[in-house]
Amino acid sequence: SQQGEEDPQALSIQEGENATMNCSYKTSINNLQWYRQNSGRGLVHLILIRSNEREKHSGRLRVTLDTSKKSSSLLITASRAADTASYFCATKQAGTALIFGKGTTLSVSS
Amino acid sequence: EAEVAQSPRYKITEKSQAVAFWCDPISGHATLYWYRQILGQGPELLVQFQDESVVDDSQLPKDRFSAERLKGVDSTLKIQPAELGDSAMYLCASSHRSSGLVDTQYFGPGTRLTVL
Repeated sequence: SQQGEEDPQALSIQEGENATMNCSYKTSINNLQWYRQNSGRGLVHLILIRSNEREKHSGRLRVTLDTSKKSSSLLITASRAADTASYFCATKQAGTALIFGKGTTLSVSS
Repeated sequence: EAEVAQSPRYKITEKSQAVAFWCDPISGHATLYWYRQILGQGPELLVQFQDESVVDDSQLPKDRFSAERLKGVDSTLKIQPAELGDSAMYLCASSHRSSGLVDTQYFGPGTRLTVL
């Protein structure tokens, strides 16, 4: 079963624009992680935010977490063509496996 | 940089045949995961190993799927017999330890299975 739901399912932007994708989940979590998957390849871990954190940055990535709304957002600033990929949120609870959402497909055109 | 290795990258088989996938995790990683990813969906865990022991196989269809990690290093996932609905990407991942809630998983490139 999939706990996380990303929104939107697909996003198309121009290079240089910011991309925002959201993730909602159903039950309390220990942490939430974002992964990127280039077409036909494995997933790459981007960033992890713990349940007691509200915001985290890594390079051009900014992640927020609102545990009261059970939601998270991933912001990619100044997008590049190389950012074209699918982005998945994954939630982690104690004693359970990492559960992935269905993903947002981002397309960045030059 | 160390990577998770998987083979084959692509596999086409006919239904009712047997298939096997191989994964070699990053050296020193005690935890190994097999995921299945259907097109347009996120990965779903099939089985998790801690060293050579299975710690979670609750989502593994045990009537046709089997997985082993005999020496606690590389692993094999087998499907016998394959069905049309098994067409998917099979991903292997590894992490340093399973007890850590914040342990990062490193994924291999996957095996794309097509069942005809």
